[in-house]
Amino acid sequence: ETGVTQSPTHLIKTRGQQVTLRCSSQSGHNTVSWYQQALGQGPQFIFQYYREEENGRGNFPPRFSGLQFPNYSSELNVNALELDDSALYLCASSMKDAVGEAFFGQGTRLTVV
Amino acid sequence: DQQVKQNSPSLSVQEGRISILNCDYTNSMFDYFLWYKKYPAEGPTFLISISSIKDKNEDGRFTVFLNKSAKHLSLHIVPSQPGDSAVYFCAASESQAGTALIFGKGTTLSVSS
Repeated sequence: ETGVTQSPTHLIKTRGQQVTLRCSSQSGHNTVSWYQQALGQGPQFIFQYYREEENGRGNFPPRFSGLQFPNYSSELNVNALELDDSALYLCASSMKDAVGEAFFGQGTRLTVV
Repeated sequence: DQQVKQNSPSLSVQEGRISILNCDYTNSMFDYFLWYKKYPAEGPTFLISISSIKDKNEDGRFTVFLNKSAKHLSLHIVPSQPGDSAVYFCAASESQAGTALIFGKGTTLSVSS
């Protein structure tokens, strides 16, 4: 068991709405990364948080935002949902500067209708 | 433009035989490479990694080969077992201390008994 938990596991939202996804990192890990995996694609890096600050961002618009809390858990917020935002959202926790030692959660399946 | 490419969407192998999964990359800055395995309804699980200073890394039944001049790596599984049936993702980073993992689209391996 990796210890990284994500909630909810499944979610259906309407286009234009806002969504918040949650991630509890593995004990001892201080860094959280978020990835989007569309159907038939590999995971795509959204951003990473370390010490409650964004520590790197992929090619995603500003309506994708995040938070990290003092206990290192994290949220991913997506505003103005679009149909193409339908995907599996994966959270990965690690220590900083240890990208190769990241543990992934099981993901949240978001469907936008 | 895809920086990490897995050109074979699927591979079928008989139990006991060798499975060879291939991956190509285009970014010369990539310095660290990983393979992840993903079962349905689970997050990706780290399998094996290799740094660019090596051309081979072995862990039990799993061996990764890196050919830097060809920008190519491969994962060998010997012998293949039915429990190896999963989606395999190749990923790359600019260093082991990097921030983001860049994933390929994945190869679905089916091992039949």
